[in-house]
Amino acid sequence: GQQVMQIPQYQHVQEGEDFTTYCNSSTTLSNIQWYKQRPGGHPVFLIQLVKSGEVKKQKRLTFQFGEAKKNSSLHITATQTTDVGTYFCAGSDTGGFKTIFGAGTRLFVKA
Amino acid sequence: EAGVAQSPRYKIIEKRQSVAFWCNPISGHATLYWYQQILGQGPKLLIQFQNNGVVDDSQLPKDRFSAERLKGVDSTLKIQPAKLEDSAVYLCASSRGQGYNEQFFGPGTRLTVL
Repeated sequence: GQQVMQIPQYQHVQEGEDFTTYCNSSTTLSNIQWYKQRPGGHPVFLIQLVKSGEVKKQKRLTFQFGEAKKNSSLHITATQTTDVGTYFCAGSDTGGFKTIFGAGTRLFVKA
Repeated sequence: EAGVAQSPRYKIIEKRQSVAFWCNPISGHATLYWYQQILGQGPKLLIQFQNNGVVDDSQLPKDRFSAERLKGVDSTLKIQPAKLEDSAVYLCASSRGQGYNEQFFGPGTRLTVL
């Protein structure tokens, strides 16, 4: 069945350093979403990527969708303490109906 | 617009007891999801409804878990009897429907089974 893997599991950075998390699917996806979950909170939608090779930016966050629509990445430039939390990717199958979450990458930012 | 509502927020029960969770999705959202999130892990889909029909319940432990979505709006998730390994946060989410994958999550119910 479809699997979505994320690496790394944890990342500790110094404030101001960059951060990247990677997401890989065992099958081709119709789209991929990214969510952020603050400690003690619930996942909050960040963005959805649909097109092959798509790149989207939100301020310091850059999201990419691979050409084969099987992998994606989230890059944060110059991390801030407010970026702390767990970042999840969630891939939807080619029917666009079933979505599977990755295990998440937990980001720790030291001031 | 109001968000996804869930209750209770916290529940502590003993093993073999029963428990029920309630979810009210965002008005007009056709798709409703129940997830189980164990500490340190990603959300695991238990069941997905499209209106009041079940789309996916392949990971729902049907010997002890049940869920319903009457009239295609509110939903309840029940565990009977509970096991220690059911301790987790149960998240409800909703989305507009097929083709609209953005999910809006409720605050979750933290279940502790002793």
